Amino acid sequence: HLQMQESGPGLVKPSETLSLTCTVSGDSLSTTSYYWGWIRQPPGKGLEWVGTFYYGGTTNYNPSLKSRVTISVDTSMNQFSLKVNSVTAADTAVYYCARHGYSYGPEFPFDYWGQGTLVTVSS
Amino acid sequence: SYELTQPPSVSVSPGQTARITCSGAALPKKYAYWYQQKSGQAPVLIIYEDSKRPSGIPERFSGSSSGTMATLTISGAQVEDEADYHCSSTDSSGHQTHVLFGGGTKLTVL
Repeated sequence: HLQMQESGPGLVKPSETLSLTCTVSGDSLSTTSYYWGWIRQPPGKGLEWVGTFYYGGTTNYNPSLKSRVTISVDTSMNQFSLKVNSVTAADTAVYYCARHGYSYGPEFPFDYWGQGTLVTVSS
Repeated sequence: SYELTQPPSVSVSPGQTARITCSGAALPKKYAYWYQQKSGQAPVLIIYEDSKRPSGIPERFSGSSSGTMATLTISGAQVEDEADYHCSSTDSSGHQTHVLFGGGTKLTVL
């Protein structure tokens, strides 16, 4: 059974870098054929796709965040990570990691989600 | 890129039919997907490829799509269906495919 858990600081200062990790159990990121992504949700607002990485190491980012976002994978720890540079209050959100499920259509919707972690940007 | 537009809120009484719409220019060419998000929880996929239900999703949830509008229908809404509902699709107008979400619709059942 697949499980995903986000971890990282809950408070980040403006202009600094937000760093989160998603630990995956129930699948191996070194052999997976799935895609893995990050989604965020500002308080009281809708969902926003942040980015996705594909097996083989290719990444794909939301154009509105692309210049500040990096997604990477550590197969030895079975984790993938998100970094957002130069954060402002607008980056305050619950951040979710999730798996794209290719059993559910050509747009590969997210079929497994972590519980989410709130990151607040404030001095 | 284009956007997906949902009404901010929908309200029904228990047992009534709730309909939540999602409009987007690419929906004639792309499937719509729907997620249910209860308070304080992660979203759950409840409709895929416009109208299909994953295993374990009650039959009262159904989806349809026509032209630029997708619709989530909850037949005989129950108090436990009170949640935020998010539509999703993708945009392939550039050289990469990007995931889109609508703004979310808060369903009140009371």
